[in-house]
Amino acid sequence: AQSVTQLDSHVSVSEGTPVLLRCNYSSSYSPSLFWYVQHPNKGLQLLLKYTSAATLVKGINGFEAEFKKSETSFHLTKPSAHMSDAAEYFCVVSEGTSYDKVIFGPGTSLSVIP
Amino acid sequence: NAGVTQTPKFQVLKTGQSMTLQCAQDMNHNSMYWYRQDPGMGLRLIYYSASEGTTDKGEVPNGYNVSRLNKREFSLRLESAAPSQTSVYFCASSWTGSNSPLHFGNGTRLTVT
Repeated sequence: AQSVTQLDSHVSVSEGTPVLLRCNYSSSYSPSLFWYVQHPNKGLQLLLKYTSAATLVKGINGFEAEFKKSETSFHLTKPSAHMSDAAEYFCVVSEGTSYDKVIFGPGTSLSVIP
Repeated sequence: NAGVTQTPKFQVLKTGQSMTLQCAQDMNHNSMYWYRQDPGMGLRLIYYSASEGTTDKGEVPNGYNVSRLNKREFSLRLESAAPSQTSVYFCASSWTGSNSPLHFGNGTRLTVT
C-alpha cells in the first residue's frame, strides 16, 4: 500500500535562508508525486509535479524538488525563503489510475522569521 | 476565471441538522472530488466523481452523500450532522486520470455543535 511521510510537522527558517521540507513515500508502482501549498484560509495550490520525466522538478515561486527513487524521497527546496512562503505544504503520492489512490501527507507548516 | 467555487464559506449546524455544500468548476474538468481536512491528518477523500454521471466512495464516506448534477457541479450532503463532521471541506476538480493535478476551492468551514 502506498503512504506518504512528511518528516517535520513544523519548520522555521529566517528570511533569506534555504528551505528544506522533507517527504518520503512508499509505493508499489512508479508513482506520480506532487507538492501543494496552502496559505491560511485558502485552498491548496499546486507547486510542482513529478511524473517520471526529469528527476529534478522546478515549480512556481522558486521551489524545486528532486525525486530519488533509491531513497524513496521527494524533498522540496528553495534557495532563499521569503515571508510570503509561510504556509502549509503537502506532499502527495498518486499511483495507478484510481482516483482513491491519491494520498496526502499530513503537512508541514513553514514559518519564516523576519 | 473563477476556477472552483464553493458555497457557503462558513456554516454552523446543530447535531442532527442537514445541509448541502455546493461546488462548481468552470475549467471543463471531467473529475471532481470532495475532501475533508482535519489537523495533522492531511486531506482525506470523501467521495469522487471520475466523470459526469458516476460517483464513488473515497476513504471516509460514512455520513455523506453526493450528487454530480452536471459536468460543472458536484454537491456534498450531510443528512444528519454529527460533531465528528466538524471539519474544513474542500472541493477539487481535475482532468481525467489520477495523475492530473487537482484544482481546489477555498473551502467550507463547518462546525457541528
